[in-house]
Amino acid sequence: EAGVVQSPRYKIIEKKQPVAFWCNPISGHNTLYWYRQNLGQGPELLIRYENEEAVDDSQLPKDRFSAERLKGVDSTLKIQPAELGDSAVYLCASSQGGGNQPQHFGDGTRLSIL
Amino acid sequence: QKEVEQDPGPLSVPEGAIVSLNCTYSNSAFQYFMWYRQYSRKGPELLMYTYSSGNKEDGRFTAQVDKSSKYISLFIRDSQPSDSATYLCAMSAANAGNMLTFGGGTRLMVKP
Repeated sequence: EAGVVQSPRYKIIEKKQPVAFWCNPISGHNTLYWYRQNLGQGPELLIRYENEEAVDDSQLPKDRFSAERLKGVDSTLKIQPAELGDSAVYLCASSQGGGNQPQHFGDGTRLSIL
Repeated sequence: QKEVEQDPGPLSVPEGAIVSLNCTYSNSAFQYFMWYRQYSRKGPELLMYTYSSGNKEDGRFTAQVDKSSKYISLFIRDSQPSDSATYLCAMSAANAGNMLTFGGGTRLMVKP
């Protein structure tokens, strides 16, 4: 079974530039999560999707962050414009169904803002 | 104070040692408890998943949950250099949309 696939693995941009991350969840997993992990800390949830619907985006900084999950499979997370404090690893996870199903993570996109 | 506390380490042990990793938490609503292993520049990998109190064993790994003390542990027997990684505890409450709250991780180094 293929795992969660994320791209790109690394991204370096200048502040105020836009950036986008892509995630392909495990086949059959209808719940998708985006997390941000700062250095030396655990991941923190940004947004959760059930199929195409964003059901929890309370932690997403909506002034500059946006996300979409068209057709309930792949998802894209965008930042525009990026700020220095956005440097972090952006992780995507998926789980099968709702409830308290185990979440499986991709390897993340490491974002550096110059 | 964070909801989930975890000693950041690093914890350095010789190969073959028994390793004990721990987390404390403050939210009594947490009922699902997980341990993830994260290698450098990789995503978290699910190791153990337990519900409520008790023990769960999987190979060299044993997870323990003590809800009365709000304390969870992960034991690694016969530790190997390949176990060197950061270990993250995570937990969630029932009917909370599967929202995970993570500890900050403990870095483990197993020396040959």
